[in-house]
Amino acid sequence: SQQGEEDPQALSIQEGENATMNCSYKTSINNLQWYRQNSGRGLVHLILIRSNEREKHSGRLRVTLDTSKKSSSLLITASRAADTASYFCATDRVSGSRLTFGEGTQLTVNP
Amino acid sequence: GAVVSQHPSWVICKSGTSVKIECRSLDFQATTMFWYRQFPKQSLMLMATSNEGSKATYEQGVEKDKFLINHASLTLSTLTVTSAHPEDSSFYICSATVAGGNYEQYFGPGTRLTVT
Repeated sequence: SQQGEEDPQALSIQEGENATMNCSYKTSINNLQWYRQNSGRGLVHLILIRSNEREKHSGRLRVTLDTSKKSSSLLITASRAADTASYFCATDRVSGSRLTFGEGTQLTVNP
Repeated sequence: GAVVSQHPSWVICKSGTSVKIECRSLDFQATTMFWYRQFPKQSLMLMATSNEGSKATYEQGVEKDKFLINHASLTLSTLTVTSAHPEDSSFYICSATVAGGNYEQYFGPGTRLTVT
């Protein structure tokens, strides 16, 4: 089974609202990454946070990492209809090694 | 920079035939490439890890004789689905890491395989 679990599985919000997605994992990690996937397309890398980091920002994205709880959250502020996509977290135990993906959150931003 | 391409983007084949999918790193050398499979509305599952010049490492439950992986150069890895069956229909995605880079994996756009 997948190591990572994401919560919620689906999220529907109105444009302008913030969207928060959570990811939990089971084993120790080196890095945690968030990816976005539009329907039927490849993955777009959003942000990487290392195990010794607690928070990272990139534009409208804010990622937190709590290694004691083995969890991470992705916050998208001021959402746009174009943010509609699936969002996945992925962890690795060694930098550059295999990634283990979470189940993903399907985000729908209604205009 | 760090662009990964896949070819073809989609393919339809008949049951029992073989299909080859190419994964290329266009502007960097990739020492390691990964192959993932994604069924509809599901997450990505790693199939195998491919290092240039050596045999691929397959994940548990993935048949290495059915999914042949060749990583002959630092810019090309191929996945051949042999004797394809309808249950092999899926979205196949490759990724590559940059030799000496920051360990980020760069993903290809994926190949949609439909076996009829």
